[in-house]
Amino acid sequence: EPEVTQTPSHQVTQMGQEVILRCVPISNHLYFYWYRQILGQKVEFLVSFYNNEISEKSEIFDDQFSVERPDGSNFTLKIRSTKLEDSAMYFCASRTTGVGNYGYTFGSGTRLTVV
Amino acid sequence: RKEVEQDPGPFNVPEGATVAFNCTYSNSASQSFFWYRQDCRKEPKLLMSVYSSGNEDGRFTAQLNRASQYISLLIRDSKLSDSATYLCVVRETGANNLFFGTGTRLTVIP
Repeated sequence: EPEVTQTPSHQVTQMGQEVILRCVPISNHLYFYWYRQILGQKVEFLVSFYNNEISEKSEIFDDQFSVERPDGSNFTLKIRSTKLEDSAMYFCASRTTGVGNYGYTFGSGTRLTVV
Repeated sequence: RKEVEQDPGPFNVPEGATVAFNCTYSNSASQSFFWYRQDCRKEPKLLMSVYSSGNEDGRFTAQLNRASQYISLLIRDSKLSDSATYLCVVRETGANNLFFGTGTRLTVIP
């Protein structure tokens, strides 16, 4: 079964440092997403990406965040200057196009710990 | 504003029991509905989409009531492997992202 791959599985960084989280979406999917889940809380939407540009973003996705699809396979989330409150599980997701109740496939996540 | 609300549980049920989870959503323009399953510290995995007419997949039955903005999931003959957090997920019309409930934790006891 095709899967979304995320690296690293766990990242520890010092406050104020930049981090890049990496994702390889499913190859024939066209929509890509980043979500985060703070420990014990619900999964929250950060940003969606389609046709090489951001299609939607949430209030969480401020100027400290950026996304990029540098080549045909990778999709990255950069946090420029990490804060303690950025500590969370970050999930990448992708889906195919089309209408209907299509599900999103999530990667296994990157656990980001800011110290 | 809470887009998607669920009873957080926990639900502790014996093997073989039937258990039902409920979920309400606030935006009447919501278009797509899903139940996801999340194991501890793992990613959400799609359990089933929810259709207006209701749908069944083995021991799992999902129902949607658009008038009441209510979604349900019924699990029959619970197995130990069903222990997980069940996430009610909604996509609004015209939106490209998903709204998650906080999840309902289920523990199936031997």
